[in-house]
Amino acid sequence: AQKITQTQPGMFVQEKEAVTLDCTYDTSDPSYGLFWYKQPSSGEMIFLIYQGSYDQQNATEGRYSLNFQKARKSANLVISASQLGDSAMYFCAMRVGGSARQLTFGSGTQLTVLP
Amino acid sequence: NAGVMQNPRHLVRRRGQEARLRCSPMKGHSHVYWYRQLPEEGLKFMVYLQKENIIDESGMPKERFSAEFPKEGPSILRIQQVVRGDSAAYFCASSPGLGGETQYFGPGTRLLVL
Repeated sequence: AQKITQTQPGMFVQEKEAVTLDCTYDTSDPSYGLFWYKQPSSGEMIFLIYQGSYDQQNATEGRYSLNFQKARKSANLVISASQLGDSAMYFCAMRVGGSARQLTFGSGTQLTVLP
Repeated sequence: NAGVMQNPRHLVRRRGQEARLRCSPMKGHSHVYWYRQLPEEGLKFMVYLQKENIIDESGMPKERFSAEFPKEGPSILRIQQVVRGDSAAYFCASSPGLGGETQYFGPGTRLLVL
């Protein structure tokens, strides 16, 4: 069975600094995808970034990058130059097997950006 | 360029009533997923559907819950005889299927059972 672990219930970061949100995963399937979503206080789920298990390079999307360490089974999200609007809950998720499958979510990390 | 649409955004029901949650996927998306988020928790998968087919309902409670995605119209998640423990946020996501696997979420429906 697959599992996603986020060990940081809450994180604080100063505005304009970088922050890393941890995510480890467990699966025996060689084909999988890793996702990060942001959930602000308004409640919607916003897709941030995706990394496939066979991707050779770490994914990047603007200020978001995914530090993918396959041997350690970790997929940490790095947010550079934090902004007040980055304050939200962040969820790591995994899809195992071929495309179009359910996502398994971690418990989330509440990020607070301080002015 | 509308995203995933869900309605209603908020739904209040008394114990024993029925709740119907609707989801219209993004244009061009043929795969729909339903997830439930209990307070202070992550999302839990419920069911995965394609048009007129339930592909995976392994996360769906065996009783009172059903889902459909008809040929025409939105996907419907139906909860019969609601109980207080059904109070949660219910999210729908869609993906294009072949050629794209990222799931894009709707704004969710907050169900409150009194």
